[in-house]
Amino acid sequence: QLQLQESGPGLVKPSQTLSLTCTVSGGSISGGSSWGWIRQPPGKGLEWIGTIWHSGSTYYNPSLKSRVTISIDRSKNQFSLDLDSVTAADTAVYYCAKVGGGFSNEFDSWGQGTLVAVSS
Amino acid sequence: QSLLTQPPSVSAAPGQMITISCSGSSSNIGNNYVCWYQQLPGTAPKLLIYDDHKRPSGIPDRFSGSKSDASATLAITGLQTGDEADYFCATWDSSLHGVVFGGGTTVTVL
Repeated sequence: QLQLQESGPGLVKPSQTLSLTCTVSGGSISGGSSWGWIRQPPGKGLEWIGTIWHSGSTYYNPSLKSRVTISIDRSKNQFSLDLDSVTAADTAVYYCAKVGGGFSNEFDSWGQGTLVAVSS
Repeated sequence: QSLLTQPPSVSAAPGQMITISCSGSSSNIGNNYVCWYQQLPGTAPKLLIYDDHKRPSGIPDRFSGSKSDASATLAITGLQTGDEADYFCATWDSSLHGVVFGGGTTVTVL
């Protein structure tokens, strides 16, 4: 059974870079699937951050595009998120997820999420 | 302000049926497939419906999805206390070239 696990600092200072890694187990990250990051500010709804397709191409939320990089490390079965110049508004639970095989760009497997607070 | 509009809350008694609407536009729901997620308190979202009406393995048929024009609907029949959760619709937006989520609907079982 596929499992995803986010890891990274739980506290980031304003203006610094938030870096998270998602480790995939129970399957290969190179198996033709695409992968994404989604976040959820405390008490609020879900916000798509971006997706890295199996081809290696990336799509990012236009509101975050200038600050986001999603990359993949096939040798480690991991993919990563970098979010630059963070502010308090970036405080959220960050989820990594796998894109399913349907046409709706659905995320069919999710990590448990990791809370990242931005504070000095 | 989300591009997909959902009612903030829906409530009903156990055993009843509820529907949750998700209203969008031609750039998203009107021309792309919709999916739905269930988020139980303190947990990660879980895929309930994809491609407008398909259920992943293990999702009971009490949950169903439909779409008409630029609106989608999630129906839950035989409501159970374990269905108390937040529900989110999502789809691709062809103008933004990205995934958009609805604001979420909190379901309460009275």
